[in-house]
Amino acid sequence: SQQGEEDPQALSIQEGENATMNCSYKTSINNLQWYRQNSGRGLVHLILIRSNEREKHSGRLRVTLDTSKKSSSLLITASRAADTASYFCAIFSGSARQLTFGSGTQLTVLP
Amino acid sequence: DTGVSQNPRHKITKRGQNVTFRCDPISEHNRLYWYRQTLGQGPEFLTYFQNEAQLEKSRLLSDRFSAERPKGSFSTLEIQRTEQGDSAMYLCASVPLSGTNEQFFGPGTRLTVL
Repeated sequence: SQQGEEDPQALSIQEGENATMNCSYKTSINNLQWYRQNSGRGLVHLILIRSNEREKHSGRLRVTLDTSKKSSSLLITASRAADTASYFCAIFSGSARQLTFGSGTQLTVLP
Repeated sequence: DTGVSQNPRHKITKRGQNVTFRCDPISEHNRLYWYRQTLGQGPEFLTYFQNEAQLEKSRLLSDRFSAERPKGSFSTLEIQRTEQGDSAMYLCASVPLSGTNEQFFGPGTRLTVL
């Protein structure tokens, strides 16, 4: 079973708006990562946040982590049509040395 | 191109046939992972190698599945006696030994079992 669960499953917004996706998980983590996948392609790493960090920024991306609630959010600001993709959170718990992915959020940015 | 490559990109086979996929990781990366992804789902871990040693296998990896990384470079994933339920995208990712386990994915091999 997959540990991370994204919410919402699908999100449709207008270009220029912000998009927020949430991820919840069940176990303790070493770090949490967000990936993007365009249709039929491999995944691309976006950003990583360690368990002792609360917020991280990278360009138009902002990630928050609340380990007490076992949740994370990914904010994409000023979205573009090219941001249309599936976004996955993945948890790395260290001991297992593997990533466990959620089921993803399908983001559609309308021009 | 110094990224992760996978071949073939697409494979269509008949039920009962054997198939083999290849992954060429980023050359300086020691760890190599295989995942399976079905439509609308995130990737599911199958197995991983550190150099040539296969260190962990998921229970998803039935005895019909076998993976190798003979010289610690490229890896192969073989599925014997394919079933329609094996239809999926098979993804490979490589990771440097040191670091945070940020994974570099290949484009995947799409398997269709008829």
